[in-house]
Amino acid sequence: DTGVSQDPRHKITKRGQNVTFRCDPISEHNRLYWYRQTLGQGPEFLTYFQNEAQLEKSRLLSDRFSAERPKGSFSTLEIQRTEQGDSAMYLCASSPEGMTDTQYFGPGTRLTVL
Amino acid sequence: SQKIEQNSEALNIQEGKTATLTCNYTNYSPAYLQWYRQDPGRGPVFLLLIRENEKEKRKERLKVTFDTTLKQSLFHITASQPADSATYLCALGASGTYKYIFGTGTRLKVLA
Repeated sequence: DTGVSQDPRHKITKRGQNVTFRCDPISEHNRLYWYRQTLGQGPEFLTYFQNEAQLEKSRLLSDRFSAERPKGSFSTLEIQRTEQGDSAMYLCASSPEGMTDTQYFGPGTRLTVL
Repeated sequence: SQKIEQNSEALNIQEGKTATLTCNYTNYSPAYLQWYRQDPGRGPVFLLLIRENEKEKRKERLKVTFDTTLKQSLFHITASQPADSATYLCALGASGTYKYIFGTGTRLKVLA
C-alpha cells in the first residue's frame, strides 16, 4: 500500500488551455474526493465519488470542471479553458467503505495558470 | 452561510508546553468534526475524529473536545515538540452529505 498518488505533481499552463489530473486512490478504497486548496486556505470540496458514481458536486464548481471515475478505481479531474483563478493545489483523498470519516490525502497537483 | 473560524495568526509555544488550537463554526450542525495536520507542500494527514455525541477524544498526546452548544472544538497537543510544528486544520461533516467543510487552519510553531 503506497498511499494515494496524484499525477502530475506540478502543472504550468497558459490561460485557455485544458488540463487533466489523475488520482490513484489506495487500493480497495471505494470513496474518492477532490478538493482545491489555495494559499492560506483550507481545502475546498469539489466532488465525491462512491465507486464509479459521482454522488455529490460542489455548487461552486463551474461547468469548466469535470471529474470521472470510470471503473471505480482511478479518477481524473479536467479543467477546460483554464483561468488564472484556477491556480491552486488540487488534492485527492480516498477512504474505505464504512469509514467515510477518515480521508487519506494524496500529495496534490499544483496548477499554475499563466 | 456556513463558516468555520480558526486562529489565522500563527501560534508559537515553547517545547514541552501544551498547545491549544480552536475551531469555531456558525450556521452548521455537524455530525462529526475532524482534525488534520498539514505540512508545507503536502496533503493533510488525518489525526482525530469526534462525533456530535462525544465530548472528548484522546490519542497519545492529542486531545479533542467538542461543544455543540458553544459550536466549538478545542485541539490540544500536550508535551509539544518541534516536530509538531505544522498547520492544523479542522473539518466538519454532516449527515446527509459527503461534503466536508475545512477551516483555514492554524499554523503552530513549537520552539526548542
